Amino acid sequence: GDSVTQMEGPVTLSEEAFLTINCTYTATGYPSLFWYVQYPGEGLQLLLKATKADDKGSNKGFEATYRKETTSFHLEKGSVQVSDSAVYFCALRHTGNQFYFGTGTSLTVIP
Amino acid sequence: DVKVTQSSRYLVKRTGEKVFLECVQDMDHENMFWYRQDPGLGLRLIYFSYDVKMKEKGDIPEGYSVSREKKERFSLILESASTNQTSMYLCASQKGTEAFFGQGTRLTVV
Repeated sequence: GDSVTQMEGPVTLSEEAFLTINCTYTATGYPSLFWYVQYPGEGLQLLLKATKADDKGSNKGFEATYRKETTSFHLEKGSVQVSDSAVYFCALRHTGNQFYFGTGTSLTVIP
Repeated sequence: DVKVTQSSRYLVKRTGEKVFLECVQDMDHENMFWYRQDPGLGLRLIYFSYDVKMKEKGDIPEGYSVSREKKERFSLILESASTNQTSMYLCASQKGTEAFFGQGTRLTVV
């Protein structure tokens, strides 16, 4: 069945460091792929998405490219800020309307 | 902006109680979902609904039921709360490719 695997956390980085959070997926066909972010005490918010192979989603300095050949959708940011501290979830949506989420990666950025 | 509102941020209930978690969305979305979020397990789907009075089991429906009498409201019911249902519960509504989440209800069963 469909599933998402993302890198284990927690991740701790210094401000202005480069961020990569790995995400790979298992699905037949061409799912839509998402990154959601959860700030402390809040629900999930959509960060970015890509709906077909080779699409790049971007928002707030974050980017992720839909790689069909490696079934990956890694999240990157060139220079993280303290305000980026949150839990990040990779997700896919395929046939039907159900979303499949990864287990989440906690990011802490220290000044 | 789409708004998904969960009726409570925090709840404390006793074992054996019947618990209702309410979720309301204001964008006329057909699809609504209930997830629970636990450390190391991510989000797991409990139930979802494609339309009024329609419901489908997700991955972990045991111990839960749902009600969708009106399009905007999707209720999660714990028939007899148990301590292993202590968790964060997240409601979402969806149209097109994006899901919109409520702020979550942290339920503690004692």
